Amino acid sequence: ELKVEQNPLFLSMQEGKNYTIYCNYSTTSDRLYWYRQDPGKSLESLFVLLSNGAVKQEGRLMASLDTKARLSTLHITAAVHDLSATYFCAVDNQSNYQLIWGAGTKLIIKP
Amino acid sequence: DVKVTQSSRYLVKRTGEKVFLECVQDMDHENMFWYRQDPGLGLRLIYFSYDVKMKEKGDIPEGYSVSREKKERFSLILESASTNQTSMYLCASSRLETQYFGPGTRLLVL
Repeated sequence: ELKVEQNPLFLSMQEGKNYTIYCNYSTTSDRLYWYRQDPGKSLESLFVLLSNGAVKQEGRLMASLDTKARLSTLHITAAVHDLSATYFCAVDNQSNYQLIWGAGTKLIIKP
Repeated sequence: DVKVTQSSRYLVKRTGEKVFLECVQDMDHENMFWYRQDPGLGLRLIYFSYDVKMKEKGDIPEGYSVSREKKERFSLILESASTNQTSMYLCASSRLETQYFGPGTRLLVL
């Protein structure tokens, strides 16, 4: 059974700092997704990582995938308040495009 | 832009009522999904559909049913609402990898 674990589940940090959110998954998969959810709103797709070693960056966020380690990271550089949100990773279970979701990381960035 | 809409943002229902949640997407996507989201539990898949009239159970189908009579519309039905079905319900659609989400329906069952 495919399981996805994120850590930390909660992160409070100061503006300007760097930090990394980790997403581990338990069985083979070659597609991993990162989503963002603002309070009271729906989920917005951030990154789709489709192969081992894939790295994608947008603004202060960078995501990478290591399929051998079954690990993805979402790195935040010089955090700003606008990045406060809950971040989810999800892994394709390779069946009918179902996704298995992590529990989410609630990120609070303090001015 | 892909647009996924849900019939209600907020609903309050009583225990035992039949509840209909509707989802419509405008991008001709084959796949549609219903999730519930509860604090600390992430998203849990209730049902999904990969074609008209086709449905498959997700991780937590008990107490729910679905209907997909048209490609653009996917309905979630709570046959007899219970208090443990109080939750945020999210609909999503996809053709390939990325799922696009609706705004969610926050359901309170009293």
